[in-house]
Amino acid sequence: AQSVTQLGSHVSVSEGALVLLRCNYSSSVPPYLFWYVQYPNQGLQLLLKYTSAATLVKGINGFEAEFKKSETSFHLTKPSAHMSDAAEYFCAVTRNSGGYQKVTFGTGTKLQVIP
Amino acid sequence: DAGVTQSPTHLIKTRGQQVTLRCSPKSGHDTVSWYQQALGQGPQFIFQYYEEEERQRGNFPDRFSGHQFPNYSSELNVNALLLGDSALYLCASSYWGAEKSTDTQYFGPGTRLTVL
Repeated sequence: AQSVTQLGSHVSVSEGALVLLRCNYSSSVPPYLFWYVQYPNQGLQLLLKYTSAATLVKGINGFEAEFKKSETSFHLTKPSAHMSDAAEYFCAVTRNSGGYQKVTFGTGTKLQVIP
Repeated sequence: DAGVTQSPTHLIKTRGQQVTLRCSPKSGHDTVSWYQQALGQGPQFIFQYYEEEERQRGNFPDRFSGHQFPNYSSELNVNALLLGDSALYLCASSYWGAEKSTDTQYFGPGTRLTVL
């Protein structure tokens, strides 16, 4: 079975401060990991994905994430928060299940950016 | 290039009724997955369609059914609606290429279903 755990359902940072959103995964096979962002009343937008090519993955809007196998983690970071980063962020894991893709999402972390 | 589209955007139904939600995948994509996102929760996988067949299913009752058409668009049907079915229903499309397990799913804006 595969799963992801997002630590902290709500995170608040000041504008310009470092953003760190935590995600730990569990997977019996090498995982493929994703971060998605969801703005209010909208669908999910892909921020970045890890597919084993490189452990440090750069995404859109200045976000990046580092895959650490020893810690089973895939934390999302951004050096300097912007007001427009306020949204909900979901970590997701996928694997080839009998030949078919199955994506499991975490419960999400709401990011608040304080002016 | 049009992304994933869903219709309708909002829907209000009463308990016991039936509902059909529609999804058109991103151009070039042949696989459609459906997710239910309850308020304050992450999306939960309902099922996935490829080549007009349901290929994988999550832990949802048979009241949830779907269909994929030859043009790859898809419908989600829910029968005998319950209050607990109120949620945002998301459709995601992907391409079932050679690197299956790395395929990225692209999401539509969702359909907000309210059951009264």
